[in-house]
Amino acid sequence: GAVVSQHPSWVICKSGTSVKIECRSLDFQATTMFWYRQFPKQSLMLMATSNEGSKATYEQGVEKDKFLINHASLTLSTLTVTSAHPEDSSFYICSAKTSGSSYEQYFGPGTRLTVT
Amino acid sequence: AQSVTQPDIHITVSEGASLELRCNYSYGATPYLFWYVQSPGQGLQLLLKYFSGDTLVQGIKGFEAEFKRSQSSFNLRKPSVHWSDAAEYFCAVGGAENTDKLIFGTGTRLQVFP
Repeated sequence: GAVVSQHPSWVICKSGTSVKIECRSLDFQATTMFWYRQFPKQSLMLMATSNEGSKATYEQGVEKDKFLINHASLTLSTLTVTSAHPEDSSFYICSAKTSGSSYEQYFGPGTRLTVT
Repeated sequence: AQSVTQPDIHITVSEGASLELRCNYSYGATPYLFWYVQSPGQGLQLLLKYFSGDTLVQGIKGFEAEFKRSQSSFNLRKPSVHWSDAAEYFCAVGGAENTDKLIFGTGTRLQVFP
């Protein structure tokens, strides 16, 4: 149980285009989803927290107009990187939690984004 | 502010040897503590967690961790390491800033030699 999927697993896009990453909870309802960014050999950096039906809460320094997050249902959240640039290339990981899981988060497998 | 410290960036052990990965936290209340493992190019998998009760917790893959309040530590241990344990290990504390956030340590990369 508690499986989180991400799609795509990897994507290459040209500079200036936008790319959407999906995060789905497959067997549970995720009241809260999180988006992280991870640079090579570094820890996870929380980008934003999203609750179903609400606007996402972004961490300090994360551009909300560049990283659009939508949590439209209890099983789906999307991250759209708008007008991507090479410096946006990274590993993006989502996670999800239920309302009563005592802070435990279930992580997706990650999406490798390369902007050329 | 809450924080998590993993003092060891990189650890190398021989297969079959014992392992201890260190984790120290800074947190005002009783922490919710987690250990996650990440294989290259993958997401994070939960190894074990501590919320309350017995301070020695058992996890998957033969791992265990001990919560020591007096030392603000939650070290991960395994008596005999397997080559497949080579990965990145992250300690995390939950409930920080009265939110659902997890605060992660910087991670420890484990290499296992045959």
